[in-house]
Amino acid sequence: EDKVVQSPLSLVVHEGDTVTLNCSYEVTNFRSLLWYKQEKKAPTFLFMLTSSGIEKKSGRLSSILDKKELFSILNITATQTGDSAIYLCAADHTSPNYQLIWGAGTKLIIKP
Amino acid sequence: NAGVMQNPRHLVRRRGQEARLRCSPMKGHSHVYWYRQLPEEGLKFMVYLQKENIIDESGMPKERFSAEFPKEGPSILRIQQVVRGDSAAYFCASSLSGGNTEAFFGQGTRLTVV
Repeated sequence: EDKVVQSPLSLVVHEGDTVTLNCSYEVTNFRSLLWYKQEKKAPTFLFMLTSSGIEKKSGRLSSILDKKELFSILNITATQTGDSAIYLCAADHTSPNYQLIWGAGTKLIIKP
Repeated sequence: NAGVMQNPRHLVRRRGQEARLRCSPMKGHSHVYWYRQLPEEGLKFMVYLQKENIIDESGMPKERFSAEFPKEGPSILRIQQVVRGDSAAYFCASSLSGGNTEAFFGQGTRLTVV
């Protein structure tokens, strides 16, 4: 069965810390992995990773995919209270259906 | 260009009533996806529609749930005879093309069944 597992489920750090969120996947016909940030509203798109070993960066956020070991990490440096959110990852595959396989999310709390 | 619009934002229904959730995709987007999010769980795919067609409904319960995306107007997710277990946040997303390219999400509808 296809699945995406995120860890940790929740994380509390202080402002300024660096955090690493993990996402492992077992998905047939894997195509890409997506990261979303969900606050008290809709998930917002962060990254789509298709190729292994190529880091994508956006400000203090960066992410990389390892297709050999079947995982991705999302790094956030110099965290701010506004980074507090649930971070979701999802795997896309090329099977005939169009479902994204979602992880349960990591709840990140940044304390001032 | 307005984003994906969902309404209502909050919906309370008594057991046995019907719930209708609306989703207007971003302008120019003809692909719509509906997801359900239960507490402590990720987003669960329900159905994928492209104008007037259901492409994939494998994530939607066979009974009481239906979805449509007419030629004109918003996409509708309809839940008949709601039960307490239907209480959840329902998100819709739209994309310019299919195949799970970048999708933009609406604010969600929180359904509470009392």
